[in-house]
Order: sequence, then structure tokens, then C-alpha cells
Amino acid sequence: LAKTTQPISMDSYEGQEVNITCSHNNIATNDYITWYQQFPSQGPRFIIQGYKTKVTNEVASLFIPADRKSSTLSLPRVSLSDTAVYYCLVGDSRLFTGGFKTIFGAGTRLFVKA
Amino acid sequence: IAGITQAPTSQILAAGRRMTLRCTQDMRHNAMYWYRQDLGLGLRLIHYSNTAGTTGKGEVPDGYSVSRANTDDFPLTLASAVPSQTSVYFCASSEEGTSRYNEQFFGPGTRLTVL
Repeated sequence: LAKTTQPISMDSYEGQEVNITCSHNNIATNDYITWYQQFPSQGPRFIIQGYKTKVTNEVASLFIPADRKSSTLSLPRVSLSDTAVYYCLVGDSRLFTGGFKTIFGAGTRLFVKA
Repeated sequence: IAGITQAPTSQILAAGRRMTLRCTQDMRHNAMYWYRQDLGLGLRLIHYSNTAGTTGKGEVPDGYSVSRANTDDFPLTLASAVPSQTSVYFCASSEEGTSRYNEQFFGPGTRLTVL
């Protein structure tokens, strides 16, 4: 299972674009890159997933370079309510082969200030 | 019920007592998971179940057991609770695996304190 490395914390101001980069040097061919968001006292919530290039949804964009050894979650024009922990996961799509394990890690704590 | 529910919301338990955390989902997801979250450590997988009738061990399974008698329910049991099991416990579920990494849907969590 590929290990991920992301910053422990980041600060931003309302209205700014925030980019959180995750390193996953040992990503495997079958692995997808997934980001979750967790607010205090709540369970994580899926934000976005990608395999390569760029993926965009109503919440965020995910940029993945050609070598897939890193990925960047981009949050446009953050607000105070975007203050949360963001987790980068690199997952094996072979769900039923040899057991499936999910490693969330400590994530990146984003603080959005007024 | 919509999504995943967990019970109880919180519990204070004496060490040595037996405790079962309940988890129910109504999305007909095949896969279910139990995580614990400790301050500063993110989430760690305790046990998982790919489908009803099967279970598997995650990163930190010791001291915990699970069962999956049907699709909807996935209880987590602490046979003899210890203070190190004080944590927030999250249950999650996802659709049956296909060719993609499956999105997991999380419950609201159970805050357990073992004294």
C-alpha cells in the first residue's frame, strides 16, 4: 500500500485559493488517489478522486502529474467553513484480493481565517 | 434511516467491561469498515468486511471483534475494554469493489472513554 506524505497544517484567508500537495512516490499502477475532508466531531467525507491528469467537481480540483508520484488538491476561494482536516489516500482498486486496507494518515489541518 | 447510523453516540465504560458498538447502513453496500481515531493520529482501520458473512483484520485489530450476519449491520465488540481503547470510533461502508477505489461513507462516530 502506497504511503502518502502531506503537510501537517496550513493557514489561509477567506477568498484565497488553497493548494494541498500529497506525495506518494510508491504509487502502484492500480492505485487511485482520493481526498477526504473531515470537520470536527464528524466522520470523513469524500471530496474527489482521480487517476491521472486533472479532475474537477463542484467542490475542488485534483491535479495529478504524469508520473503520479504526487497530487494537489485545489480548493478555490475558501471560506471559514472549509476549515477541516484533509486526507490524501492512495488506494488499491483490487478490493477483494488479499484483504483491503485503508490508511488515512494524520492528514493536513487547514485553518481558514477571516 | 439515511446513510450510516452508529450507537451509542458516546459511552463511558469501566475497564474490563464488555461493550458492543452498533453500526447500521441502509445503502445496501457490501463493504463495511470500523476505524478508530485518536488525537493527532488520523484514522486507523480496525476490521473490515467485504460482504456479509466475511470479515478481515485491519491495522489495529487486537482487542476487537466484529461480525457481519447481514448486509446492513456491522457491530464492533470490545470483549474486555482497556483504557488504551479510549477513542472515537467510526463506521463506514462502500459499494462492492469494481475497477475503482470505492468511496467510503462514514457514520457520525461513537466517542468511547474507558476508565
